[in-house]
Amino acid sequence: GVTQSPTHLIKTRGQQVTLRCSSQSGHNTVSWYQQALGQGPQFIFQYYRKEENGRGNFPPRFSGLQFPNDSSELNVNALELDDSALYLCASSSAGVPGGYTFGSGTRLTVV
Amino acid sequence: AQSVTQLDSQVPVFEEAPVELRCNYSSSVSVYLFWYVQYPNQGLQLLLKYLSGSTLVKGINGFEAEFNKSQTSFHLRKPSVHISDTAEYFCAVSEVGYQKVTFGTGTKLQVIP
Repeated sequence: GVTQSPTHLIKTRGQQVTLRCSSQSGHNTVSWYQQALGQGPQFIFQYYRKEENGRGNFPPRFSGLQFPNDSSELNVNALELDDSALYLCASSSAGVPGGYTFGSGTRLTVV
Repeated sequence: AQSVTQLDSQVPVFEEAPVELRCNYSSSVSVYLFWYVQYPNQGLQLLLKYLSGSTLVKGINGFEAEFNKSQTSFHLRKPSVHISDTAEYFCAVSEVGYQKVTFGTGTKLQVIP
């Protein structure tokens, strides 16, 4: 399946954070979602073949990388209190409609 | 742009009773539709999906959903719920040819013993 690390993280406002995701075997597309408490997941961006392939309504301080093994990182600079949320990584196969396989998420708390 | 509306934020139901969770979507093109379930402190798990063909879709754990194009709805149903079904359920849509999936705000299903 999809594994995310770390599971929990506490950061101070203004700091930078990197979240990691390993895709399900055979999947080549990685999407990142932010889920605030009591809300549905909000699309941050998606990566395919190491290129950003779509972005939601998030500022440039949210950035990402996809590696040759299709694992991925989400980087957030200049953390704000509102960035506190569950960050979900989902992998899928491009061209194969069928929904995502989600990881269990990283709970980020900004204090 | 695609969007999803889940009409009920919370649905309480007694154990062994039937349940329907409502979902409406909006899109100007053909769509794929999904239902996901999220248990506390976990990621989302795919329950079922509509891609094409039969409008009645069966999923895991006894859930099913019916795609109604004229009403742009994709309601989730289960004839008899169990305590273990207590969770949050998300309806989601993606436009055909695009990978991005848009989620609704979720419905919390509370099964009462």
